[in-house]
Amino acid sequence: GAGVSQTPSNKVTEKGKYVELRCDPISGHTALYWYRQSLGQGPEFLIYFQGTGAADDSGLPNDRFFAVRPEGSVSTLKIQRTERGDSAVYLCASSPRTGGLGANVLTFGAGSRLTVL
Amino acid sequence: GNSVTQMEGPVTLSEEAFLTINCTYTATGYPSLFWYVQYPGEGLQLLLKATKADDKGSNKGFEATYRKETTSFHLEKGSVQVSDSAVYFCALISNQAGTALIFGKGTTLSVSS
Repeated sequence: GAGVSQTPSNKVTEKGKYVELRCDPISGHTALYWYRQSLGQGPEFLIYFQGTGAADDSGLPNDRFFAVRPEGSVSTLKIQRTERGDSAVYLCASSPRTGGLGANVLTFGAGSRLTVL
Repeated sequence: GNSVTQMEGPVTLSEEAFLTINCTYTATGYPSLFWYVQYPGEGLQLLLKATKADDKGSNKGFEATYRKETTSFHLEKGSVQVSDSAVYFCALISNQAGTALIFGKGTTLSVSS
């Protein structure tokens, strides 16, 4: 597609429930990133994929968070047993490749706002 | 580890005033530096970038110069407009392969007419 698409745009759930957030990157972009942005804060890195594999998942806060990208395109961020502290905007971004000399620019989606009641 | 520090906001200016938003960084090697902007109700957008020391990134009247000696990438604009009201994020990405973009906490700019 023309841009990075994220669904749903808004999700309200109850504490303890399971949530999936989807990201559809720009066609042909091999690198895909997930970030979390809490109110009044900058985006916090969670995980990134190069192709199908997670090249760096050091930002995932705990084992309730998991992400997949089985075919190297669409990615799903999965959150188990949601907690109120998980409430944030989850941002997805893609780029033609990962960082390096002349690093490529990340293009961000509009985000999925998650509210855990 | 790599990190970015921005001046805290909010920054409140009148239209046509001069803007500076300070940004300093800590990184190994030679990172690329970015400013992203988030307008109300919209997603993050790249504003400008610089990939090596002494490079100047510019866009929409905004400028920032990559200063290796002071590890800084301050954002400037000579005459701000009401439409520049947004949150501005400084960010870096290391030149080491396999690293992610790291953001500062953001600075809110509010411009009044």
